[in-house]
Amino acid sequence: SQTIHQWPATLVQPVGSPLSLECTVEGTSNPNLYWYRQAAGRGLQLLFYSVGIGQISSEVPQNLSASRPQDRQFILSSKKLLLSDSGFYLCAWSVTEGSEQYFGPGTRLTVT
Amino acid sequence: KQEVTQIPAALSVPEGENLVLNCSFTDSAIYNLQWFRQDPGKGLTSLLLIQSSQREQTSGRLNASLDKSSGRSTLYIAASQPGDSATYLCAVSEVTGGGNKLTFGTGTQLKVEL
Repeated sequence: SQTIHQWPATLVQPVGSPLSLECTVEGTSNPNLYWYRQAAGRGLQLLFYSVGIGQISSEVPQNLSASRPQDRQFILSSKKLLLSDSGFYLCAWSVTEGSEQYFGPGTRLTVT
Repeated sequence: KQEVTQIPAALSVPEGENLVLNCSFTDSAIYNLQWFRQDPGKGLTSLLLIQSSQREQTSGRLNASLDKSSGRSTLYIAASQPGDSATYLCAVSEVTGGGNKLTFGTGTQLKVEL
């Protein structure tokens, strides 16, 4: 069966510090991968998606970047965090375009 | 730009009651619609996926319907239980040739009381 992991589970970082959040999927090959953010009082927003290694599409201009160095690994990064980057970050995967998306447990990021 | 609205924002019902959660979307050119459940501080659990060509899907006590032309979906929960308490999110997908983008509603927070 397929599983999706995210780490860390929680993170408190000062403004201006770098960020690296990791997501890995097990039990499938060549998944579509997604990063979402859920900010307080707002709905879930798609940040990035990837249909293959090295292929990243950005949905909204922001202070973040994403990379996919391996087939089942998706990384969310920032060089300098802003207060507005605080939120709950969720990684998801799907088999193909248009198929069901499955979400990871999330990372709670607080920027102080 | 697709917009998804969920009504009501919050709902409190006694155990055993049947209930309906509503979801509406502005652009009917969707690929599918997914209903999720989110427990506090947790990730999303997929409940049901309805393809755009389908009218409804059922899983246990859950039944989801889709009327694409009117931009509406409902999630019916039968015989509600305290363990159903959670936030329910609907999301519609748009396939653009490079991924499956989900646009989420802001959710309905459900509380089922003993």
